[in-house]
Amino acid sequence: AQKITQTQPGMFVQEKEAVTLDCTYDTSDQSYGLFWYKQPSSGEMIFLIYQGSYDEQNATEGRYSLNFQKARKSANLVISASQLGDSAMYFCAMRDDNNAGNMLTFGGGTRLMVKP
Amino acid sequence: NAGVTQTPKFRILKIGQSMTLQCTQDMNHNYMYWYRQDPGMGLKLIYYSVGAGITDKGEVPNGYNVSRSTTEDFPLRLELAAPSQTSVYFCASRTAGYSPLHFGNGTRLTVT
Repeated sequence: AQKITQTQPGMFVQEKEAVTLDCTYDTSDQSYGLFWYKQPSSGEMIFLIYQGSYDEQNATEGRYSLNFQKARKSANLVISASQLGDSAMYFCAMRDDNNAGNMLTFGGGTRLMVKP
Repeated sequence: NAGVTQTPKFRILKIGQSMTLQCTQDMNHNYMYWYRQDPGMGLKLIYYSVGAGITDKGEVPNGYNVSRSTTEDFPLRLELAAPSQTSVYFCASRTAGYSPLHFGNGTRLTVT
């Protein structure tokens, strides 16, 4: 069974600084995908970034980058130049490629608070 | 483009009552999912569907049922509601391949 662990329940970051949110995963599969979602206080789930297990380069999307270390089974999210609007819950998720539904398993989340 | 639409947004049920959470998507996605999110927690998969007429259980299916008669609709049925089913319910869909999930805005359900 796949497992996703986010060890930081809450984090503070100063506005305009960079922050890293940790995510480790456990799987015996060779093919899988890793996602990060943002959930603001309004409750919706917003897709941020994706990394495939066979992708050789770390994914980047604007201020978001994914630090993918396959041997360590980690997929940390890096947010550069934090903004007040980045304050939210962040969830790491892994896709199961061995199942017909390719469902996502989510971590417990990290609450990020950006200080002005 | 509406995306994934869930109704209702909020609902309060008494113990033992039943209800159906509606989910519809207009993106012609074959894959659809129901997740629940308990307070302060991540999302757990209840049921999923890979196409019309095909459904399967996820991690926490007990107390729920689903159907998928069309590509667009994926309703979730709660029978005999219990306080443990108090949660926020998210419906999501995606295309084939390695595409991300598109989520609805959620239904906040309280069972008292």
